[in-house]
Amino acid sequence: QKEVEQNSGPLSVPEGAIASLNCTYSDRGSQSFFWYRQYSGKSPELIMSIYSNGDKEDGRFTAQLNKASQYVSLLIRDSQPSDSATYLCAVMVTGGGNKLTFGTGTQLKVEL
Amino acid sequence: NAGVTQTPKFRILKIGQSMTLQCTQDMNHNYMYWYRQDPGMGLKLIYYSVGAGITDKGEVPNGYNVSRSTTEDFPLRLELAAPSQTSVYFCASGVGTDTQYFGPGTRLTVL
Repeated sequence: QKEVEQNSGPLSVPEGAIASLNCTYSDRGSQSFFWYRQYSGKSPELIMSIYSNGDKEDGRFTAQLNKASQYVSLLIRDSQPSDSATYLCAVMVTGGGNKLTFGTGTQLKVEL
Repeated sequence: NAGVTQTPKFRILKIGQSMTLQCTQDMNHNYMYWYRQDPGMGLKLIYYSVGAGITDKGEVPNGYNVSRSTTEDFPLRLELAAPSQTSVYFCASGVGTDTQYFGPGTRLTVL
């Protein structure tokens, strides 16, 4: 069973702080990694994608990947109340339909 | 460019009824997917398609059927609805190993 594990939270951080979201996966054949943000009652929207070990930065967001440890994380700098949402980690094994396996998500609350 | 569209947005079914959830994308993506999301859970893959005429089962296919006659459309059929099929259904499309783009979802309740 391919699994993607996330802490369900809620993770509470004060406005302006760094939020750190973590995800582990079990399938060593995984090659593509995604972070989606989902507001309550809405569909998932892509925040970051990462394909190789190391860091990838996009604005206030940084994704980190360590394939040896089977670990991927998302850092949100200068957290804003609008960042309050559920963050879904998704992992793809290339081929066979390029299917995504999702974690159950981490709820982030950014407090004023 | 509308992206991925889904109809209906909401639906209430009685046990044993059938219905089709519609999904259309205008991005010329070969890959299309159907997911369900239960409260507090991640998304589970029901069925997927790698191109017109080609479909395959995902993680939770029981009670559902799909077809893919065109690149744009990927309808999901529920036969003999059961309370366990109460969920939010998302359709997505994508290209290769790049990201998947999600539709707005259909909220289905089976009573």
